[in-house]
Amino acid sequence: NAGVTQTPKFRILKIGQSMTLQCTQDMNHNYMYWYRQDPGMGLKLIYYSVGAGITDKGEVPNGYNVSRSTTEDFPLRLELAAPSQTSVYFCASFQGVEKDNEQFFGPGTRLTVL
Amino acid sequence: GIQVEQSPPDLILQEGANSTLRCNFSDSVNNLQWFHQNPWGQLINLFYIPSGTKQNGRLSATTVATERYSLLYISSSQTTDSGVYFCAVFVAGNNRKLIWGLGTSLAVNP
Repeated sequence: NAGVTQTPKFRILKIGQSMTLQCTQDMNHNYMYWYRQDPGMGLKLIYYSVGAGITDKGEVPNGYNVSRSTTEDFPLRLELAAPSQTSVYFCASFQGVEKDNEQFFGPGTRLTVL
Repeated sequence: GIQVEQSPPDLILQEGANSTLRCNFSDSVNNLQWFHQNPWGQLINLFYIPSGTKQNGRLSATTVATERYSLLYISSSQTTDSGVYFCAVFVAGNNRKLIWGLGTSLAVNP
């Protein structure tokens, strides 16, 4: 299993540009999450999904959109990039079964908005 | 909501020293995970430990769920142990969210 994969690893955007951060997991997990981590801080939840076709907002959803058309993929969309969105973005997944709640994380995408 | 507190916030060790990191949580939790974020930003699962004790090499962890705390032990520390250690607890319910502590920043000097 590749686990949770994210692309790209790094990206520099200009203010107002848009982009999609890709996240794929091959563990057939129901639950997927997007977090952002600002320098020196912990992780904050942006959006999450409990299954294909179902998404919901986390703590800091403004400026982002998500979709979940398949179990494997959970892309995160930035429509109008702003400097405040400079951060490291982590995607995570887990099975969602009560006895197995370990979350698995991707390697992260480092985004800079100038 | 549930609060997760980690201590100490910062720690500096000499290579070879031992240390204990603590994670307190304010309410009952289903599960708990320890992560290491290395200086390159990579987030690594260390332990998935809802209760009891687990060991992996020089690292071990103990969670006492009834007393609402978990401990991470690092023995014979190495410079590669440097980074930030996060504790995160699992909140049951429809959204299955992890609640994160602010981390312990560890620097191991040669």
